Amino acid sequence: AQSVTQLDSHVSVSEGTPVLLRCNYSSSYSPSLFWYVQHPNKGLQLLLKYTSAATLVKGINGFEAEFKKSETSFHLTKPSAHMSDAAEYFCVVSDPPSGTYKYIFGTGTRLKVLA
Amino acid sequence: GAVVSQHPSWVICKSGTSVKIECRSLDFQATTMFWYRQFPKQSLMLMATSNEGSKATYEQGVEKDKFLINHASLTLSTLTVTSAHPEDSSFYICSARELTRGRDTQYFGPGTRLTVL
Repeated sequence: AQSVTQLDSHVSVSEGTPVLLRCNYSSSYSPSLFWYVQHPNKGLQLLLKYTSAATLVKGINGFEAEFKKSETSFHLTKPSAHMSDAAEYFCVVSDPPSGTYKYIFGTGTRLKVLA
Repeated sequence: GAVVSQHPSWVICKSGTSVKIECRSLDFQATTMFWYRQFPKQSLMLMATSNEGSKATYEQGVEKDKFLINHASLTLSTLTVTSAHPEDSSFYICSARELTRGRDTQYFGPGTRLTVL
């Protein structure tokens, strides 16, 4: 069965410093991996998506993630945090073997950006 | 980009009543939609997969008679919470799967906050 593990439930960074949100996946297949962001009381917004093309994926708002098969990781990074980046971030793996392509969510990482 | 709407955005109802939540894909057709439930400060839990023209597939532990799902068209799925009770209070989020233009991605609605008194 496929799964994702978000290693940190909370991350705090100062504005202008780099952001690293960690995600490890477990999959017997070539996975599709996603990062979504959820601002308070809002829906989920797709940040970026990996689907077996380039291993370094660039997303919106300056975020990017690198797929590392050897480490089964898909960490999300941003060179310089902005106050507006404060939100909940979810790493997601798609489950194509089930035939439904349903998403399996990680437990989420709450990013706090300090002024 | 692909847009998914939900209506209502929030609803308060009395215990024992039923509530219907609509999920619409506004600019694409979605043969598959998904319904999630999110408790405060927790992750999303998939409740069911809704396929146009067929019965929904429910995840283990989800009562299909309590959470009725109908996917009558390629742009609309509905979730009806029947005989709602306070423990059904939650944030319900739908998503629609887009397969067109070479993409296979779920786009999420803004969510519906249900409070049962």
